[in-house]
Amino acid sequence: NAGVTQTPKFRVLKTGQSMTLLCAQDMNHEYMYWYRQDPGMGLRLIHYSVGEGTTAKGEVPDGYNVSRLKKQNFLLGLESAAPSQTSVYFCASSPGLYTEAFFGQGTRLTVV
Amino acid sequence: AQKITQTQPGMFVQEKEAVTLDCTYDTSDQSYGLFWYKQPSSGEMIFLIYQGSYDEQNATEGRYSLNFQKARKSANLVISASQLGDSAMYFCAMREAYSGGGADGLTFGKGTHLIIQP
Repeated sequence: NAGVTQTPKFRVLKTGQSMTLLCAQDMNHEYMYWYRQDPGMGLRLIHYSVGEGTTAKGEVPDGYNVSRLKKQNFLLGLESAAPSQTSVYFCASSPGLYTEAFFGQGTRLTVV
Repeated sequence: AQKITQTQPGMFVQEKEAVTLDCTYDTSDQSYGLFWYKQPSSGEMIFLIYQGSYDEQNATEGRYSLNFQKARKSANLVISASQLGDSAMYFCAMREAYSGGGADGLTFGKGTHLIIQP
């Protein structure tokens, strides 16, 4: 059982480039989330989804877009990367609101 | 105002001692959930324990227990008989009630870096 898998694990982008982070879960969870983690800031919610075909903004959505065309996948896009988007990105999924969220292993993104 | 406050940026504890990691939260909802996660140096997020706002008893999971004081809006994590492998970042998180037709994710505190010394 793979759980939550993020692709890629590491990436270096130049300012202005675009990229997509892929999150895949095999637990049939309805809820999926994208967080970013910066030193001293904890994890902050970027976007989330409560089911296939739905997305919503979290605490820090600017500069990011998401899509959930299939229940098992949640994509995070950066259209024009900025150095301020250098961070570790975590995807998570959960079966319900008051249940444990399962996290992926994280993606370390550096924008130069 | 921060919704989750962890006042201990770092802690040093002797092996085999008990550890209490502080967490206070701010919400006006009656229904909410409180979570603790561990993040070792390898980076993964590991779920430790959950407490629902309506749970009358404190949650326990092995060496972990959650000291839930609802009136004080406090949800401290207690680790009994600490081990070297407990050295990690620890995050307190909260999910508030379903509101406005949407469902936000977990709100995290800034974490406590726990170091267990031999």
